[in-house]
Amino acid sequence: DTEVTQTPKHLVMGMTNKKSLKCEQHMGHRAMYWYKQKAKKPPELMFVYSYEKLSINESVPSRFSPECPNSSLLNLHLHALQPEDSALYLCASSMPALAGRSWNTQYFGPGTRLTVL
Amino acid sequence: QQPVQSPQAVILREGEDAVINCSSSKALYSVHWYRQKHGEAPVFLMILLKGGEQKGHEKISASFNEKKQQSSLYLTASQLSYSGTYFCGSQSNFGNEKLTFGTGTRLTIIP
Repeated sequence: DTEVTQTPKHLVMGMTNKKSLKCEQHMGHRAMYWYKQKAKKPPELMFVYSYEKLSINESVPSRFSPECPNSSLLNLHLHALQPEDSALYLCASSMPALAGRSWNTQYFGPGTRLTVL
Repeated sequence: QQPVQSPQAVILREGEDAVINCSSSKALYSVHWYRQKHGEAPVFLMILLKGGEQKGHEKISASFNEKKQQSSLYLTASQLSYSGTYFCGSQSNFGNEKLTFGTGTRLTIIP
């Protein structure tokens, strides 16, 4: 099973709302990622969790708050977003870099299309 | 900085060949290639590690020249299903979890 699932598929929220995006994988991967993708642009890394600890934060505004409750789940909590935050939010997972295998093939979920009004 | 891909976009007829290039200003440890169809998630195609290796996957192959910090993706006898946007992803060093995606190449295959 190489599936990463994300919910919801679409989300419309106002600038004062609080919402959460969810991501789940059951491949035994221990690294999970959040990316933001604008139309016709490449995915931009936001956060990386490795063994349930935040290992990379790409200077993302605090209105985005990630959470990794366990090795299979990844959440992205949203609060007081701006219209420019509207984008496709992709979750990915991989095995972390380990001795003997230093690469990390990432498997992506289908994404959540977020619209901020 | 993100890797730069060329061309930005290309339109081919079914059966024609294509080459997509990925060039980085930073030293590369590995290069990953992904294809993303409109409205869908990026799908992993292949990974190349430094050492100048070349890999193949059906009619899609790739090369990696670490000295030039470049990788190329070769699509032979293109099929309609090859349409999409191709991204290279660069990993800068051993153990680095971060992939930096290139600027993307939109490939359109027409009958």
